[in-house]
Amino acid sequence: RKEVEQDPGPFNVPEGATVAFNCTYSNSASQSFFWYRQDCRKEPKLLMSVYSSGNEDGRFTAQLNRASQYISLLIRDSKLSDSATYLCAPYSNSGGYQKVTFGTGTKLQVIP
Amino acid sequence: DADVTQTPRNRITKTGKRIMLECSQTKGHDRMYWYRQDPGLGLRLIYYSFDVKDINKGEISDGYSVSRQAQAKFSLSLESAIPNQTALYFCATSDFGGPGNTIYFGEGSWLTVV
Repeated sequence: RKEVEQDPGPFNVPEGATVAFNCTYSNSASQSFFWYRQDCRKEPKLLMSVYSSGNEDGRFTAQLNRASQYISLLIRDSKLSDSATYLCAPYSNSGGYQKVTFGTGTKLQVIP
Repeated sequence: DADVTQTPRNRITKTGKRIMLECSQTKGHDRMYWYRQDPGLGLRLIYYSFDVKDINKGEISDGYSVSRQAQAKFSLSLESAIPNQTALYFCATSDFGGPGNTIYFGEGSWLTVV
């Protein structure tokens, strides 16, 4: 089983729609979680950090379910500019070995 | 100007050639990383360095070497490039460890080995 699993998509949604992605992780010791956004052929950039049960920033909401070991990203009122790939990245510290593991990403395409 | 700068941004090289990707940062971070990204495989860590004297292998270090010339500079070398090293390479930095470990990426270097 991969450490971090994401549905690759693409998720094709109309402008204004609400869309949600899930990310499952295998390391139960993961302490915090990050969502990065990556535009085509560009570098990943941090979108949101999650340290407890969730986080909200404008149209973006991340929710963490530790019992089921997944984190979701909800985007409300989708914009064309939200079209990108969204990478999930749990952070863990095992015996002093700190690691951020990236998922392969979920591609979102917002359609006019 | 980007805080994390990679050179070259694009390179085509032949099998067996040595190539170096360079990275410099102005963020003042101690921690630097090299990742490669392949379709369907995501970002994989090649090497990381927590300071000038501390260099560690990541999950896919075979065929690569690194040098941390200064706090701000971290270079990646392919001693004898092979076609399956064709990928998008990212240098990255972070300012500390711990749960709040935001990683800042350079713009990437596209490497093609023919």
